[in-house]
Amino acid sequence: GQNIDQPTEMTATEGAIVQINCTYQTSGFNGLFWYQQHAGEAPTFLSYNVLDGLEEKGRFSSFLSRSKGYSYLLLKELQMKDSASYLCAVNDYKLSFGAGTTVTVRA
Amino acid sequence: GAVVSQHPSRVICKSGTSVKIECRSLDFQATTMFWYRQFPKQSLMLMATSNEGSKATYEQGVEKDKFLINHASLTLSTLTVTSAHPEDSSFYICSAGTGGSDYGYTFGSGTRLTVV
Repeated sequence: GQNIDQPTEMTATEGAIVQINCTYQTSGFNGLFWYQQHAGEAPTFLSYNVLDGLEEKGRFSSFLSRSKGYSYLLLKELQMKDSASYLCAVNDYKLSFGAGTTVTVRA
Repeated sequence: GAVVSQHPSRVICKSGTSVKIECRSLDFQATTMFWYRQFPKQSLMLMATSNEGSKATYEQGVEKDKFLINHASLTLSTLTVTSAHPEDSSFYICSAGTGGSDYGYTFGSGTRLTVV
């Protein structure tokens, strides 16, 4: 089966940096997605990693190590609007999601 | 970019009735569509995968006779919750892919179903 783990909650202050880790053990792998989801809304795409290494996109960066079954999402210069749930999802020709990490940004 | 439209955004229905949710890809052809369910403070759980013109593939534990999925065209998939009960109250989200490596890339806006 699919096993995708990420921390349940994280709290940080405005302007800080937060790193959300995701470890996975899946039967197949065709890339890893990170999504942001605000309460009551659908997820929005943040990043997609299929090769090892770091992908940087503005304030958000994502890293992947396939040999370690590990990824992280890095959020820099945190803003209040970044308070949301962040979902790690492994692509195995369908998406399997982790439980999500709720990030709370405090002033 | 790719846009997926989902309707309705909210629906309240009586127990025992059926509800249909539509998912449309507006500017691309979606060979594959996915239906997810999300309970409060939980992650998205894949219910089924539908490919245009063929029967949907349901995940283990999902009742195919209760959650009817139709993907009759490359731009439209529907999910019908039949004989709804209060425990079916949830957030239902569809996503659409073109059949390439970006499976489940674009999500609809979700449907909040409340069964009373």
